[in-house]
Amino acid sequence: DVKVTQSSRYLVKRTGEKVFLECVQDMDHENMFWYRQDPGLGLRLIYFSYDVKMKEKGDIPEGYSVSREKKERFSLILESASTNQTSMYLCASSLPLLAGGPHEQYFGPGTRLTVT
Amino acid sequence: AQTVTQSQPEMSVQEAETVTLSCTYDTSENNYYLFWYKQPPSRQMILVIRQEAYKQQNATENRFSVNFQKAAKSFSLKISDSQLGDTAMYFCAFSGTYKYIFGTGTRLKVLA
Repeated sequence: DVKVTQSSRYLVKRTGEKVFLECVQDMDHENMFWYRQDPGLGLRLIYFSYDVKMKEKGDIPEGYSVSREKKERFSLILESASTNQTSMYLCASSLPLLAGGPHEQYFGPGTRLTVT
Repeated sequence: AQTVTQSQPEMSVQEAETVTLSCTYDTSENNYYLFWYKQPPSRQMILVIRQEAYKQQNATENRFSVNFQKAAKSFSLKISDSQLGDTAMYFCAFSGTYKYIFGTGTRLKVLA
């Protein structure tokens, strides 16, 4: 079974703090993703990575950065947390795009972040 | 730009009944893939079903099936013999490459 784990289920931080959200997958997947999930807005892609040290911006990268130093780990960083970053954050991983098309994404349990 | 629209924010169905969740999308691409994902309360999101756009035949996975209408850009999910465990948020998603575009979700409640 593919397992994607996230460092915290719930997190409360203060405005201006630097926040690290960690994601680890155990299936040697090349692709990893960070999404933000908000009611009525669905899932929106923040950043993704298709290889170690490689990253690309998604649809809403402002206020976030990422790090992928090892294949299994993908970190999301909020440099200076703000209240509008209060949300559910989902990490996902998948095999690379091949001739068979995009593969299934495997999701972590999510981190519900509250910024006060 | 591609978009995915789920026009039903919430639905309910009686146990053992059939329910259909709607999804429409917009794209100018010809080769793409469509997905339905399920997010049970407080649990991880999992894939329900996947459809390749070049395939005419609708995908089926046990009690879950899709009605894929390429010309109409419609991709609905039918759940037959609904079970209490089907209660979840359902997301429709589109992908032409490695990026997914998700709809806003439909919250389905199965009633005993």
